[in-house]
Amino acid sequence: NFMLTQPHSVSGSPGKTVSISCTRSSGSIASNYVQWYQQRPGSSPTTIIYEDNQRPSGVPDRFSGSIDSSSNSASLTISGLKTEDEADYYCQSYDNSNSWVFGGGTKLTVL
Amino acid sequence: QLQLQESGPRLVKPSETLSLVCTVSGASITSTNYFWGWIRQSPEKGLERIGVIYYTGTTYYNPSLKSRVTMSVDTSTNQFSLKLSSVTAADTAVYYCAANGFGSLAFVDHWGQGTQVTVSS
Repeated sequence: NFMLTQPHSVSGSPGKTVSISCTRSSGSIASNYVQWYQQRPGSSPTTIIYEDNQRPSGVPDRFSGSIDSSSNSASLTISGLKTEDEADYYCQSYDNSNSWVFGGGTKLTVL
Repeated sequence: QLQLQESGPRLVKPSETLSLVCTVSGASITSTNYFWGWIRQSPEKGLERIGVIYYTGTTYYNPSLKSRVTMSVDTSTNQFSLKLSSVTAADTAVYYCAANGFGSLAFVDHWGQGTQVTVSS
């Protein structure tokens, strides 16, 4: 199976833009959709991006997802950073047998 | 709005069976566009999907847990459940029930609040 690698941590200032990468170790990133989940401290995860770049209703358009075949990675971009965006972010995909793979998570600090 | 609530024992002895129930509100568990599932999270293993069930009883289990997992649906109570047998300390985790309302097995878009389950004698 493949792995999804995320940076351990990223940081940004309020109002700025940050991106979190999620690199697939083998197989094409474009083969299977990528999802992103946000987990605030002490809370359960919530889904902020599904199917590479789709936002569930209620998720602000400050959050966007994309994939880059050249780097075999997916990215979550958060613009107009707010202090409430401080959380752990996880990417998730699956293989052709429907086995899920989660990234190890990225801690976003809003300075 | 769909809400999910886990319930069950928070402490389980090694070698015994972990049993959790997820109560669904805001939607019928027989809705044809929903898949229902369990995901767990531990510091050691991170997030891990345990399995998924459709209201018809069709299941998909994580291959690494398949021999120990049983999921079921109770349409009369609008609940679904998880049983994990022969537990060890490695099964200590926060267990979330979750759902996908798009008819997809690829992700979840609703999460319960989670329940901490500890395996210890």
